[in-house]
Amino acid sequence: EVQLVESGGGSIQPGGSLRLSCAASGFTFSTYWMGWVRQAPGKGLEWVAIINQDGSEKYYEDSVKGRFIISRDNAKNSLYLQMNSLRAGDTAVYFCATFYYHAFDNWGQGTLVIVSS
Amino acid sequence: QSALTQPPSASGSPGQSVTISCTGTSSDVGGYNYVSWYQQHPGKAPKLIIYEVSKRPLGVPERFTGSKSGNTASLTVSGLQAEDEADYFCSSNAGSDILVFGIGTKVTVL
Repeated sequence: EVQLVESGGGSIQPGGSLRLSCAASGFTFSTYWMGWVRQAPGKGLEWVAIINQDGSEKYYEDSVKGRFIISRDNAKNSLYLQMNSLRAGDTAVYFCATFYYHAFDNWGQGTLVIVSS
Repeated sequence: QSALTQPPSASGSPGQSVTISCTGTSSDVGGYNYVSWYQQHPGKAPKLIIYEVSKRPLGVPERFTGSKSGNTASLTVSGLQAEDEADYFCSSNAGSDILVFGIGTKVTVL
């Protein structure tokens, strides 16, 4: 059974940094594209970033380019999102997901990030 | 990249059908056969129910069907059941490395 478990969320002041982690199990992690999708409270879904199997290709949504970094460690079956220069608009639940056939097909339960002074 | 347009709400009685539209442009929905649909119950993670316009992942009931015409994709839920009451989001490629989601549609089973 595919399992994705996010961690690392919390409350942070504007301008601060946070690193999210996603522990994957139940599938061959190193063979899948992975991604992060976020959802602000009461709002819709927004893709954040995706990464290919060996980490050589990374793509970001425009509003996070230059501030967020997606990475992975296939030896640890883990996906990461380093978030810098955080803004109030980054407040959201962040979901980790596998990315297959141009769709997010398996999702974690999410971790909440609150950016507020 | 602008969000794809979806109606804010849709409803139907049990056993009826409901269709949700997802309108974009020739740069996203109209330009790629990579439209996907997600179902999300309150407080839960989204679940993929349609990918590549009309394909269903294993375990998704045949009651869920997807289609596309021009710049508009559609999701039809036939034989509505109480458990289908949820938010539904569409998504599309909008370039080789860009994705865009719809604003979401709340489906109510009357």
